[in-house]
Amino acid sequence: QAVVTQEPSVTVSPGGTVTLTCGSSTGPVTSGHYPYWFQQRPGQAPRTLIYDAGFKHPWTPARFSGSLFGGIFALTVSGAQPDDEADYYCMLSYSGTRVFGGGTKLTV
Amino acid sequence: EVQLVESGGGLVEPGGSLRLSCAVSGFTFNDAWMTWVRQAPGKGLEWVGRIKKKNEGLTREYIEAVKGRFFISRDDSRRELYLQMSSLKIEDTATYYCVTEGWGWIGWGQGTLVIVSP
Repeated sequence: QAVVTQEPSVTVSPGGTVTLTCGSSTGPVTSGHYPYWFQQRPGQAPRTLIYDAGFKHPWTPARFSGSLFGGIFALTVSGAQPDDEADYYCMLSYSGTRVFGGGTKLTV
Repeated sequence: EVQLVESGGGLVEPGGSLRLSCAVSGFTFNDAWMTWVRQAPGKGLEWVGRIKKKNEGLTREYIEAVKGRFFISRDDSRRELYLQMSSLKIEDTATYYCVTEGWGWIGWGQGTLVIVSP
């Protein structure tokens, strides 16, 4: 099974910009992996922030953006807020099955 | 408003069985692929399996760890999703989330906790 890799933890100052990354053991991440980002605050269920690499839901704050570059899937938070402190998971699709990354704990 | 409500979790001995349910509202259930995701205590998310729509043959896929032990089904008339779990192992201990894959994974349930312990 493919392995999806993420940084275990990242720290950003309030108001700062930070990028979380997501890679695949099988090679470059592409739009064909239908990449997703999920946010999970402590004690809460996850919620979907970004789907199909760059699309947002109505509840996704504008400061979050998803992108593909250099074979990596990224989540950028521009102007981080204390409320953004959470675990972030990326997920990639492989021939119909889905694989989550190990998650990144973002500290603001 | 999209809502998914899981139920059926609890304490079960190794080797036992349990059936989880997920009641949904707020979207066209019979048009959605439905998925179960689990999270062991203090660990990350793990995709467990998915069932496609009726007009796609209700195709099911599972991770290797649960193949032959877990079975996903759906009742479109009741707007419910199910996860039948058998031959449960200690490592199946987790919160199980019901999720719709439709429309960009638009909805997650709050989860139901399954504890497998002697």
